[in-house]
Amino acid sequence: NAGVTQTPKFRILKIGQSMTLQCTQDMNHNYMYWYRQDPGMGLKLIYYSVGAGITDKGEVPNGYNVSRSTTEDFPLRLELAAPSQTSVYFCASRSTSGSYNEQFFGPGTRLTVL
Amino acid sequence: AQKVTQAQTEISVVEKEDVTLDCVYETRDTTYYLFWYKQPPSGELVFLIRRNSFDEQNEISGRYSWNFQKSTSSFNFTITASQVVDSAVYFCALSEALGANSKLTFGKGITLSVRP
Repeated sequence: NAGVTQTPKFRILKIGQSMTLQCTQDMNHNYMYWYRQDPGMGLKLIYYSVGAGITDKGEVPNGYNVSRSTTEDFPLRLELAAPSQTSVYFCASRSTSGSYNEQFFGPGTRLTVL
Repeated sequence: AQKVTQAQTEISVVEKEDVTLDCVYETRDTTYYLFWYKQPPSGELVFLIRRNSFDEQNEISGRYSWNFQKSTSSFNFTITASQVVDSAVYFCALSEALGANSKLTFGKGITLSVRP
């Protein structure tokens, strides 16, 4: 299993540009999450999904959109990039079987908006 | 609302020293889960341990040990005989409930530097 994969690893955007951060997991997990990590801070939840076709807002959703057309993929869309969105973005997934299981994280995408 | 406080921001020790990373949490739920994650310089997040609120047994895994005390709402992490490879940022996190919306609330992290 590759686990949770994210692309790209690094990206520089100009203000106002748009992009999609890709996230794929091959563990057949129903729950998926997007977090952002700002310097010196913990992770904050942007959006999450409980399964294909179902998404919901987290703590800091403004400026982002998500979709979940398949169990495996959970892309994060930035429509009009702003400097405040400079951050490291982590995708995570979690199983729903058994007792509470930990979230598995992807390697992260480092995004800079100039 | 749930909250995780990691009051220590940076800790520097010499190799082979023991070091304890503190974590204090706040929650109104009686059922909750506590986690520690490690973020090495390479940037990925590595799961270390999960503890549920009904299990106050301390746990030891090699050089790592965790002390969970509900009375003080703390879940501290001790590294015995630290090594340079332990240098990383360590996050404590809290999750209430069991559903997908039981989001992880992270502390701000503790940067541990282990000097040779």
